[in-house]
Amino acid sequence: EVLLVESGGGLVQPGGSLTLSCAASGFTFRSYWMHWVLQVPGKGLIWVSRINPDGSNTNYADSVKGRFTISRDNAQDRLYLQMDSLRAEDTAVYYCTRETESGYDWGQGTLVTVSS
Amino acid sequence: DIVMTQSPDSLTVSLGERATIHCRSSQSVFYSSNNKNYLTWYQQKPGQPPKLLIYWASTRESGVPDRFIGSGSGTDFTLTISSLQAEDVAVYYCQQYYRTPRTFGQGTKVEIK
Repeated sequence: EVLLVESGGGLVQPGGSLTLSCAASGFTFRSYWMHWVLQVPGKGLIWVSRINPDGSNTNYADSVKGRFTISRDNAQDRLYLQMDSLRAEDTAVYYCTRETESGYDWGQGTLVTVSS
Repeated sequence: DIVMTQSPDSLTVSLGERATIHCRSSQSVFYSSNNKNYLTWYQQKPGQPPKLLIYWASTRESGVPDRFIGSGSGTDFTLTISSLQAEDVAVYYCQQYYRTPRTFGQGTKVEIK
């Protein structure tokens, strides 16, 4: 069974930093593109970032480019999202997703709240 | 970026009746080399992550009831719930995974009349 478990969310002040982590199991982690998707509470889904299987290629949404960094540790089966210069509008549930030929598998999400 | 537009934003349907959701992409998501549309449909219930229902526009995910039917090609797609059940109350999203950034429709909320 594919399992994606996010952690690291919480309350952070504007301008602060936070690192999200996603522990993957039930599949060969190093073989898949991995993505982060956010959802502002009560709103829709927004793609944030992706990373290729060996970590050499990354892409970002314009809204986070230069502030967020996606990375992975294939030895530990973990995906990360380093979030710097956080803004109030970054407040959202962040989902770790695995992309397959048939779409996304999703974790349960972790809530990030940016507020003073 | 490929813009995904769903209609309607919300839908109220009687139990046992048909619910139809439309999704339009601003450019084609059809990949001619494998004859597939890179379009998925997700269902999201409150407090839960999205759940994959349909991929390649019309292929039902394992375990998804056959009342969920995906159709369409190119830029115009439809999700039909042929006989709405109480447990189908949710928000439904389409997503294209043909290009990066991956983009989602704004969601369609389905409720019972």
